[in-house]
Amino acid sequence: DIQMTQSPSAMSASVGDRVTITCRASQGISNYLAWFQQKPGKVPKRLIYAASSLQSGVPSRFSGSGSGTEFSLTISSLQPEDFATYYCLQYNAYPYTFGQGTKLEIK
Amino acid sequence: EVQLVQSGEEVKKPGESLKISCKGSGYRFTSYWIAWVRQMPGKGLEWMGIIYPADSDTRYSPSFQGQVTISADKSISTAFLQWNSLKASDTAIYYCAISGGSTDYWGQGTLVTVSS
Repeated sequence: DIQMTQSPSAMSASVGDRVTITCRASQGISNYLAWFQQKPGKVPKRLIYAASSLQSGVPSRFSGSGSGTEFSLTISSLQPEDFATYYCLQYNAYPYTFGQGTKLEIK
Repeated sequence: EVQLVQSGEEVKKPGESLKISCKGSGYRFTSYWIAWVRQMPGKGLEWMGIIYPADSDTRYSPSFQGQVTISADKSISTAFLQWNSLKASDTAIYYCAISGGSTDYWGQGTLVTVSS
């Protein structure tokens, strides 16, 4: 199985901050990576697919980059509604695998 | 409008069987793989497996192979996740989801509680 390692596992930041979350794959996955946001009690929401394509309706402050084994999700200017848990998902090979999640909290 | 509507909350005892469902509408049901995702209480997302309703081709995560059965009935546009003998550790929210290119839709989740 391809292991996805996210870092950090948790972080705190302030409104307006620029934040980057990274995801490392245990082997190359080309650009078959998605990022999800999940708020407590809510269904996960896909933000980014194909490593850098913005899902329709998602604010442009979210961006994704990377290829191969190293990926990142960047929020350019944190908004109050962005405090949530973020997950990466590789879909290059079965079984698909999620990262362990990054909990983003308010500082 | 694309919708994935999952069956309701379940409360079961250890050893009981269960089959939960995910009904798709607003799109061609046979065109997208349907995945199942587990979220245990307070934990992260776990990819369980996936099925292609057109021919029932199914792939499982090794962590769930033999523990659950994924199936689909294209005549009623519904996918299923089934257990033959539940354990307390199966307590979780289970989501179904479809994705492909820019498409990504999730069901509302089914809470399964297994307790004696």
